[in-house]
Amino acid sequence: EPEVTQTPSHQVTQMGQEVILRCVPISNHLYFYWYRQILGQKVEFLVSFYNNEISEKSEIFDDQFSVERPDGSNFTLKIRSTKLEDSAMYFCASERGQISPLHFGNGTRLTVT
Amino acid sequence: AQKITQTQPGMFVQEKEAVTLDCTYDTSDPSYGLFWYKQPSSGEMIFLIYQGSYDQQNATEGRYSLNFQKARKSANLVISASQLGDSAMYFCAMRELNTGTASKLTFGTGTRLQVTL
Repeated sequence: EPEVTQTPSHQVTQMGQEVILRCVPISNHLYFYWYRQILGQKVEFLVSFYNNEISEKSEIFDDQFSVERPDGSNFTLKIRSTKLEDSAMYFCASERGQISPLHFGNGTRLTVT
Repeated sequence: AQKITQTQPGMFVQEKEAVTLDCTYDTSDPSYGLFWYKQPSSGEMIFLIYQGSYDQQNATEGRYSLNFQKARKSANLVISASQLGDSAMYFCAMRELNTGTASKLTFGTGTRLQVTL
């Protein structure tokens, strides 16, 4: 069964550094999302992406965050200048349509030191 | 605004017994979808079951069933014949479907289920 793949599985970075989290959604999916989960807390929506543009973003998704679909297969989340509070598990998800279930990747655990 | 509430932070169940995980929701959108996801200790999010607001019958997927009570705005997950491998965090989630574009899932705070021998 096709799956959403995320790389790396774990990223450690210093405060103030830029990080790029990568995702390869399922190939015939049209909608793409990033979520994050701070350790032990609920899963929070960051941004949705459809038709090569952002559909919706949350308050968390400020100017330090950006998303790109550079080549029709990858979907990236960039954090320009990481803060300690950005430490979390970041999940990419994709889906074919609005009533289909979101398929999540296995996540990237980001640790900012 | 949509809201999901899971009032059970933790639950215990004996192996082979059934367990119900509670979920209530709030939305003003008449068209919405309800989802349950399982998150084992390894961290991945596994889709379990989906219920649409206009679905007449309760959703079932193997040992999982969703007890959908629309008037009460509840969507409880029932796991029958629990197995040790069911020990995990379980998240209820909802999305409104009349937004016209990629609509976000809103998650509850989760219930940690522990299956005991």
